[in-house]
Amino acid sequence: EVQLVESGGGLVQPGGSLRLSCAASGFTFSSYWMHWVRQAPGKGLVWVSRINSDGSSTSYADSVKGRFTISRDNAKNTLYLQMNSLRAEDTAVYYCARGRLRFDPWGQGTLVTVSS
Amino acid sequence: DIVMTQTPLSLSVTPGQPASISCKSSQSLLHSDGKTYLYWYLQKPGQSPQLLIYEVSSRFSGVPDRFSGSGSGTDFTLKISRVEAEDVGVYYCMQGIHLPHTFGQGTKLEIK
Repeated sequence: EVQLVESGGGLVQPGGSLRLSCAASGFTFSSYWMHWVRQAPGKGLVWVSRINSDGSSTSYADSVKGRFTISRDNAKNTLYLQMNSLRAEDTAVYYCARGRLRFDPWGQGTLVTVSS
Repeated sequence: DIVMTQTPLSLSVTPGQPASISCKSSQSLLHSDGKTYLYWYLQKPGQSPQLLIYEVSSRFSGVPDRFSGSGSGTDFTLKISRVEAEDVGVYYCMQGIHLPHTFGQGTKLEIK
């Protein structure tokens, strides 16, 4: 079964850091582009970042550029999102998703709360 | 950034009746490769989003044929021919032609 499982969310103070992980199973992880998409409480979906299959190319939304870093370890079948200088407006459920443009599947999400 | 505008933002439909959601983009989603990069996702209550339609009109694996997508350029439509109870949730369109990928605001479908 193709599966994505996020972890690493939690409560962090403004200005703090967190690293999210997305563990992939059931498919050849190294063959797929991967994305992070977030959803603030009660709000819609917002694309955050993407990485190509070998990790050589990354892209970011302007709102996180310079603060967030997407990476992957194909040997460990894991996607990461390093989040620094966190702000209250980064509070959201963060989903990882597989695929270049057809996002499927999505993980169950991990909640990041930025608050003092 | 490309702005995706969905209408209506909410929809209440009797089971067995049709439903339609419009999605308009601020720029054409037609790529020079001939493909139009418009996608539809459904987020059921308490669940992660799931892919329904890709490249305007192609149904994803396992998606019932009561779902159909149409449109071109900047105007797109998702139609459900006969709504069922399991179709409740929030529907999002998304453009994939330019970064950042952007989603519509979402259309909440409820059953009467």
